[in-house]
Amino acid sequence: AIQLTQSPTSVSASVGDRVTLTCRTSQGVSGGVSWYQQKPGEAPKLLIYAGSNLESGVPSRFSGSGSGTDFTLTISSLQVEDFATYYCQQFSTYPYTFGQGTKLEIE
Amino acid sequence: EVQMVQSGAEVKKPGESLKISCKSFGYIFADYWIGWVRQMPGKGLEWMGNIYPDDSDTRFSPSFQGQVTFSVDKSINTAYLQWRSLKSSDTATYFCAREREGVDAFDIWGLGTRVTVSS
Repeated sequence: AIQLTQSPTSVSASVGDRVTLTCRTSQGVSGGVSWYQQKPGEAPKLLIYAGSNLESGVPSRFSGSGSGTDFTLTISSLQVEDFATYYCQQFSTYPYTFGQGTKLEIE
Repeated sequence: EVQMVQSGAEVKKPGESLKISCKSFGYIFADYWIGWVRQMPGKGLEWMGNIYPDDSDTRFSPSFQGQVTFSVDKSINTAYLQWRSLKSSDTATYFCAREREGVDAFDIWGLGTRVTVSS
């Protein structure tokens, strides 16, 4: 199975900061990864698909990039509502797998 | 509105059986893979597997193969996740999600069903 390793595991930041989260896959992922945001007690929400495509309705401060085995999610200017846990996922090969998550906390 | 509505929380004893549901609204049910995702308390997301409602083609993560069953009832646009004999380690929240074709992502999620298995 393709393993996804997210870094950092947790990060503290302030409102207005630019933050970049990383997802590294153990094998190349042809279709890119998707990124989700999850807040406590809620279902995950799709932010980015196929590596760099912004899901409809998601603020433009979120962006994704990368190819092969290295992918990033960038939040250009953190807002209060962005403090959450973020997961990447690959759909390139069964079993589809998630990263372990990055928890973004207020500094 | 496209949405997936999951059944309510369950409290069960070890060894009991359980079937939880996920009802889809607002799109052609048969045309989209539905995935199941486990989240154990305080932990991350785990892909369990998926099912294609049109023909019930099913894929499982090795971790869940033989442990759970997926099924659908196309007449009522509903997918099911079933256990024959629950264990305490099955305590978790279970999400269903729609896999959008050509996008390689889960674009619509249910709110989750919390399952507690305790003697």
